Amino acid sequence: VQLQESGPGLVKPSETLSLTCTVSGGSIRSYYWSWSRQPPGKGLEWIGYIYQTGSTNYNPSLESRVTISLDTSKNHLSLNLTSVTAADTAIYYCARRRYSVSSPYYYYYMDVWGKGTTVTVSS
Amino acid sequence: EVVLTQSPATLSLSPGERATLSCRASQSVAGSSLSWYQQKPGQGPRLLIYGASTRATGIPARFSGSGSGTDFTLTISSLQPEDFAVYYCQQDYNLRITFGQGTKLEIK
Repeated sequence: VQLQESGPGLVKPSETLSLTCTVSGGSIRSYYWSWSRQPPGKGLEWIGYIYQTGSTNYNPSLESRVTISLDTSKNHLSLNLTSVTAADTAIYYCARRRYSVSSPYYYYYMDVWGKGTTVTVSS
Repeated sequence: EVVLTQSPATLSLSPGERATLSCRASQSVAGSSLSWYQQKPGQGPRLLIYGASTRATGIPARFSGSGSGTDFTLTISSLQPEDFAVYYCQQDYNLRITFGQGTKLEIK
């Protein structure tokens, strides 16, 4: 499985950031799919994930501005982030989230990542 | 939210040496959904360890993970030149995912 992020590299403040992650070598109808980001020179921040059923879970700090969706016909997932500011400037990554079971526990992890796409918020 | 604190921030070692990286959680990560990732400049993260101690597919045996509850460790038994990178721990518990701030492993 390979993941490839794409989208505009420059977004104006207050506008909506829209990114796509194309999945190749596997179906998006299985597993969870996640978005994370990394501001320049900083660490990783989880944005949210979506399950094959379409159910979503978002980082509370971003939840009011984030939407993640699946397009099974195109085998890709999308990220929309509204009302962006300079603080949203980052490299955005998509990843596959899966789990293994060791009863009674589920161990979740992200085993395949894209190379990331850089988004700059600036007028 | 579970806060993960990694130490040290930077670790300077030579090839062939043993590296020990620490990750401490602000509360117990039940079931140890604790993972470790390696990131090199210009690349996305690479999964090394999941479930605190299980190596991901294709990861060399020199990488090992241990720990439970709130204290976790990533050990690299004998550093190879390609191991110098930034390492992140990550927890995925109770519908929230957080990452540590990272440990930079640099060549001494």
